[in-house]
This record gives sequence, structure tokens and C-alpha cells, in this order.
Amino acid sequence: GNSVTQMEGPVTLSEEAFLTINCTYTATGYPSLFWYVQYPGEGLQLLLKATKADDKGSNKGFEATYRKETTSFHLEKGSVQVSDSAVYFCAAYSSASKIIFGSGTRLSIRP
Amino acid sequence: NAGVTQTPKFQVLKTGQSMTLQCAQDMNHEYMSWYRQDPGMGLRLIHYSVGAGITDQGEVPNGYNVSRSTTEDFPLRLLSAAPSQTSVYFCASRLTGSTEAFFGQGTRLTVV
Repeated sequence: GNSVTQMEGPVTLSEEAFLTINCTYTATGYPSLFWYVQYPGEGLQLLLKATKADDKGSNKGFEATYRKETTSFHLEKGSVQVSDSAVYFCAAYSSASKIIFGSGTRLSIRP
Repeated sequence: NAGVTQTPKFQVLKTGQSMTLQCAQDMNHEYMSWYRQDPGMGLRLIHYSVGAGITDQGEVPNGYNVSRSTTEDFPLRLLSAAPSQTSVYFCASRLTGSTEAFFGQGTRLTVV
């Protein structure tokens, strides 16, 4: 079945550092891919998505490109802020109309 | 805008007790689901519903029941709580055919 694997955290960076959180998927076909973000004490929110190969999703300075060759959807941001501290989940839309989540990566940004 | 509302936010149960976690959405979404979030395991699907009167099992359904009598509500029942059910529970909803899910703020459940 479909699965999503993302890099384990926690990840700790200084403000203005470059961020990459790796995500790879295993799926039949080419599912839609997502990044969700969970701020402390809140539920998950959709951060960005890509629905087909080579699409780039972007939002709030974050980007991720759907790479079918490497079955990856890595999350990047050029200059992180303290307010980006959260847990980030990579996810894939499965053929059974379900969303499959990765295990989450906790990101902490130091001022 | 209310979105997806979960109650309670926190709950402590004794082993063997039963309880219902409430979930309501006001966006007329057909699809609703319950997840549990455990450290290092991400979100795992418990049960889901594609519309009123229709429910199905997810990845980890044992020990939980659901019903969907209305489009708005999707309660999750713990029949006999066990310590292994200590977790954070999230309800989510979306339109059928849409891939964007909307989540509630979660219920932190501790079973002692």
C-alpha cells in the first residue's frame, strides 16, 4: 500500500537558516502530495500541495517540488523564522480516498 | 468561522471506562475521519465516513466505534478504555473529491 517516509526530528536551526525536510513516498501511480503544519496546541493545517509530477507547491515562503523520478517531495525554505517552529507532516492522497501521513518532523528555530 | 470543532480538549479516563469524543463541522463536508497521533508514528486513521449513514474502518479501528447520523457530526466512542488508547485524537473533514482536509484542534486523552 501507499506509505510516506519523512526525516526524523527534531530539527533545530538558527533564525534565517536554510531548511530542508526530506519526504519520500511509495505509491501506485502518482498521488497528490501535501505538507501539513501543526503549530503548538493546534490541529493540522494544509501548508502546500502538488497534484502532479513536476508541480511546485508554495506558501508562506515554503516550497516543495513533486519529483516522480525520486518519488520525493522535500520541503524547503530559504530563511526560517522563529514563528516557523512547528511539527511538519508530509502526506499523500491514496487511491482509497484516504490521506496517508508521515511520522512528522518537529522543527525548532532559535532566535 | 467554526470549521471543525472537537470536544473535550482534554480527558482523563480510568481503564474500562467508556466515553464519546465529539466532532462537528459546519462546512457541509461529506467526508469525515478520526485519527490518532502518537509520538514517532504520525497520524493513523481510525475510522472514516463518506457521508451520513456510511462509516468504514481505517488502519487502527479496534476499540473504537463511530456513527454518522448527520452530515455535521461524527462522534468517536471508546467502548472500554485501555492505556494503549492514550493519545491525541484529531477529527478531520473535507469535501468528497477534494484533497484538502480541515482538522479540529484535537483531544488529548489519557487512560490510567
